[in-house]
Amino acid sequence: AQKVTQAQTEISVVEKEDVTLDCVYETRDTTYYLFWYKQPPSGELVFLIRRNSFDEQNEISGRYSWNFQKSTSSFNFTITASQVVDSAVYFCALSEGRNYGQNFVFGPGTRLSVLP
Amino acid sequence: DVKVTQSSRYLVKRTGEKVFLECVQDMDHENMFWYRQDPGLGLRLIYFSYDVKMKEKGDIPEGYSVSREKKERFSLILESASTNQTSMYLCASASNYGYTFGSGTRLTVV
Repeated sequence: AQKVTQAQTEISVVEKEDVTLDCVYETRDTTYYLFWYKQPPSGELVFLIRRNSFDEQNEISGRYSWNFQKSTSSFNFTITASQVVDSAVYFCALSEGRNYGQNFVFGPGTRLSVLP
Repeated sequence: DVKVTQSSRYLVKRTGEKVFLECVQDMDHENMFWYRQDPGLGLRLIYFSYDVKMKEKGDIPEGYSVSREKKERFSLILESASTNQTSMYLCASASNYGYTFGSGTRLTVV
């Protein structure tokens, strides 16, 4: 069965600090997709990134970067030089390839508070 | 951009009422989903639909039903609302690239 764990329930940092959000997943499939979503206080989930299981390259997008390591089943998300606007709940999610588009499993989320 | 629209942002209903939550997407996606989100529990799948008139139970379907008469519209129905159904409800539409979520409906059952 597929499962996503986000062990950090809440994180607080001061603006301009770097912060890493952890995500560990479980799946028996060899083909799967990993996602990160951001949920700001307004409530809408915003798509950040998708990664497939065959692409372990790290990705950087502005202040955001993602580290995908199949050996440890982790897909961690780092925000560099955090800003107050980064305050949100962040969800990691997994979709197995054979059921892709039919079910995502979400982690419980990590609430990030960036203090001015 | 794909847009997923949920008809109500906030709803207050009485125990025992029948409640309809509506969701519309504008990109001809086949797969649509209803989740509820509760503190500490994350997002839990209630129902999903992969085609018109097709539906599948998710992890927590009890107390809910759904309707998909048209491809763009996926409705969640609470047959007899109860206080433990007070929650944030999120609709999503899926493409090959991922999910697009609506802005959510915060339902309070009193």
